[in-house]
Amino acid sequence: GENVEQHPSTLSVQEGDSAVIKCTYSDSASNYFPWYKQELGKRPQLIIDIRSNVGEKKDQRIAVTLNKTAKHFSLHITETQPEDSAVYFCAASRPHNNDMRFGAGTRLTVKP
Amino acid sequence: NAGVMQNPRHLVRRRGQEARLRCSPMKGHSHVYWYRQLPEEGLKFMVYLQKENIIDESGMPKERFSAEFPKEGPSILRIQQVVRGDSAAYFCASSPLDLNTEAFFGQGTRLTVV
Repeated sequence: GENVEQHPSTLSVQEGDSAVIKCTYSDSASNYFPWYKQELGKRPQLIIDIRSNVGEKKDQRIAVTLNKTAKHFSLHITETQPEDSAVYFCAASRPHNNDMRFGAGTRLTVKP
Repeated sequence: NAGVMQNPRHLVRRRGQEARLRCSPMKGHSHVYWYRQLPEEGLKFMVYLQKENIIDESGMPKERFSAEFPKEGPSILRIQQVVRGDSAAYFCASSPLDLNTEAFFGQGTRLTVV
């Protein structure tokens, strides 16, 4: 099955700096890559996603890039704010069975 | 649409008892996933089900754990003879039948084994 690896496991940045989280996946058939944010004690919620037919997608301060050849995808958060502090999960999904596997998560701390 | 509903939110069981966790997917969703999350850790895939079928249970321990998603009613994750190591948050997510799309998560069930 699909194997998703995520780095780093923890990330601490100063408010206003950028944060980058990277993931790799193993199954070249994967074609959907969502990112979830989980605040303490809450459910994971989708913040942005990308499909394999595009290389980059942006939504305000958040962007995701995808390199299908290298099987890498990354989350970029610019102008970080304390409320961005949370655990972020990447995931990869294959078609046909809609199977979805998650990375181990990155705990982002934004220091004011 | 009420979203993905999980119950109970909190469940306390003594060692050796059975735990039953329920998940009602969003209306129109026929794919259900169960994940386990230990404190300070990530989401570990357990099982993926469609209506009346287990598609992938590779993440679920072979003993004591079982899952079902009947034609009518919620998906059930059952843990028999619970042990302290089963204490975790169990999240259910659902997605539609169609192409790969967002999976929506429930609030989770926090199981504590005493």
